[in-house]
Amino acid sequence: GIQVEQSPPDLILQEGANSTLRCNFSDSVNNLQWFHQNPWGQLINLFYIPSGTKQNGRLSATTVATERYSLLYISSSQTTDSGVYFCAGDSGGGADGLTFGKGTHLIIQP
Amino acid sequence: DAGVTQSPTHLIKTRGQQVTLRCSPKSGHDTVSWYQQALGQGPQFIFQYYEEEERQRGNFPDRFSGHQFPNYSSELNVNALLLGDSALYLCASSLLGGKEKLFFGSGTQLSVL
Repeated sequence: GIQVEQSPPDLILQEGANSTLRCNFSDSVNNLQWFHQNPWGQLINLFYIPSGTKQNGRLSATTVATERYSLLYISSSQTTDSGVYFCAGDSGGGADGLTFGKGTHLIIQP
Repeated sequence: DAGVTQSPTHLIKTRGQQVTLRCSPKSGHDTVSWYQQALGQGPQFIFQYYEEEERQRGNFPDRFSGHQFPNYSSELNVNALLLGDSALYLCASSLLGGKEKLFFGSGTQLSVL
């Protein structure tokens, strides 16, 4: 199966700062998605982004499928952005299940 | 519009027992997947159900089994519980056999003593 590497593993920022999270895949990936897991364990889907760029408020994501990586940008961070950010994808037609990275643990300090 | 709902939220069992976890998918979704998340790790794929059949299974033993009902809800069963089965169990729903955006429930925290 595919391997998913996320960086950085940990990130501590002040409120208002910007950040870039990266996700590298070992092989071509389908159904690439970004998730935010809040401190209560709830996983929220941020983006479904197999290729191209999408924006949603202060968050945006870019996937370069040919180079097997994806980036998540967070601008003007707020304390509620704290949590763990995961990227995930699968190598098949959707029935293989998503393979998740180990996540980036983000802490936004007031 | 209800999202993905899971029950129970917490569960404590002892080694060797059996457990059943339940999941109702987001309204309109037809595919349910189950994931196990150990502390400090990303979720790991257990299996996926579509049209009441298991379509794919991750690297989990046969002690893990499931079922999907005609209303698309699903159950995860784990037999002969081991200490290592302690984890957060997440249910996710999607459309079209998992080829689209995945939505997760809040999970069931299982502790095996």
